[in-house]
Amino acid sequence: GAGVSQSPSNKVTEKGKDVELRCDPISGHTALYWYRQSLGQGLEFLIYFQGNSAPDKSGLPSDRFSAERTGGSVSTLTIQRTQQEDSAVYLCASSKGQGQGTYEQYFGPGTRLTVT
Amino acid sequence: DAKTTQPNSMESNEEEPVHLPCNHSTISGTDYIHWYRQLPSQGPEYVIHGLTSNVNNRMASLAIAEDRKSSTLILHRATLRDAAVYYCILRAMEYGNKLVFGAGTILRVKS
Repeated sequence: GAGVSQSPSNKVTEKGKDVELRCDPISGHTALYWYRQSLGQGLEFLIYFQGNSAPDKSGLPSDRFSAERTGGSVSTLTIQRTQQEDSAVYLCASSKGQGQGTYEQYFGPGTRLTVT
Repeated sequence: DAKTTQPNSMESNEEEPVHLPCNHSTISGTDYIHWYRQLPSQGPEYVIHGLTSNVNNRMASLAIAEDRKSSTLILHRATLRDAAVYYCILRAMEYGNKLVFGAGTILRVKS
């Protein structure tokens, strides 16, 4: 079946502009995660959505970052007033549910963001 | 803090088995051991997970030490396609549902 999809695959933006990154999770997956991977920083968690519960925003690096998930499916990660340090690959993942032991996460191919 | 320690890199010959070690001496009784891998220019991919018993699936085997302070991911016959970064991750209550990635092990496979 279809996996997690993300768009765009690449995004180049000027410093100070806002960007929106989109994630389409696997159909029926109730949990959705955003991570980012930058050179020298590895993979880091950003935010997690589970059903109608309040999202876990503990990994968002600043208030310039926000995310929403509409209708329990598609999610959008928004970065306002982008900075050069925001340049990274932004990865979305989804899983069937919560429960740290049992549900593997399926990752999308990522969006490579370059801030010039 | 539910941390893991892995070698920075390993090398294997094609068609030979590979044993990727992971130390997690501070593991608690409810922490699951998960392995993911990341091929070049792709998102991470789930490999296998376990709690106490050894596990096998189509991709690999996971051997867990009796005291659970270490585990080994076993690729039975390495192929060039298995060249990737392998992450050993503890899924701990303190982390909730997020994955906490370390630096992982870079596996190189020689033909």
